Amino acid sequence: EADIYQTPRYLVIGTGKKITLECSQTMGHDKMYWYQQDPGMELHLIHYSYGVNSTEKGDLSSESTVSRIRTEHFPLTLESARPSHTSQYLCASSETGVLNTEAFFGQGTRLTVV
Amino acid sequence: AQKVTQAQTEISVVEKEDVTLDCVYETRDTTYYLFWYKQPPSGELVFLIRRNSFDEQNEISGRYSWNFQKSTSSFNFTITASQVVDSAVYFCALSPPGGSNTGKLIFGQGTTLQVKP
Repeated sequence: EADIYQTPRYLVIGTGKKITLECSQTMGHDKMYWYQQDPGMELHLIHYSYGVNSTEKGDLSSESTVSRIRTEHFPLTLESARPSHTSQYLCASSETGVLNTEAFFGQGTRLTVV
Repeated sequence: AQKVTQAQTEISVVEKEDVTLDCVYETRDTTYYLFWYKQPPSGELVFLIRRNSFDEQNEISGRYSWNFQKSTSSFNFTITASQVVDSAVYFCALSPPGGSNTGKLIFGQGTTLQVKP
């Protein structure tokens, strides 16, 4: 069973506010990811991390930033939220190693910027 | 470039019907992984299956089965005797070259399956 948690589940916030979406996993996975899912359902990778102090941008350009100070924690921050940031954000983690297991996903944060 | 195409945007069936969800992928690499995930209304992505590019055996798990054909770059998913609880969005996904990073995925557009009672 996946042990990856995202908070909050739902967030409605005004334009210009700074927000941080939290993601934590208890599986000890080195690799963590953030995906953005637009209303048309397609998922796009926006950030990933191979371990502590490692962060990379994904395929889809995003104004958000991430940090990885602890293995279990991978928060995503928007300095100034805009309506175009309205989306669902999904966090995931996966193991490093020969077995190459699947990625485990959190329940997502549905963000609405008004 | 890598790409995953799920041409069926929405499928509606009546309970107990069989249904096949299509997935076609593009990659120039010889080593990769393919996945199917289910996204119920609650929002999380639930892992269903992983298949590596060297294993073309079809797989059956209960009412679910998968047909991997490398010659046509397809990885189709069949639900036998569908149930209302199968209603969800289903995503096919492809891992990057080498298959070493199974979370850095290229997703298809998703197929919404509605199973009516």
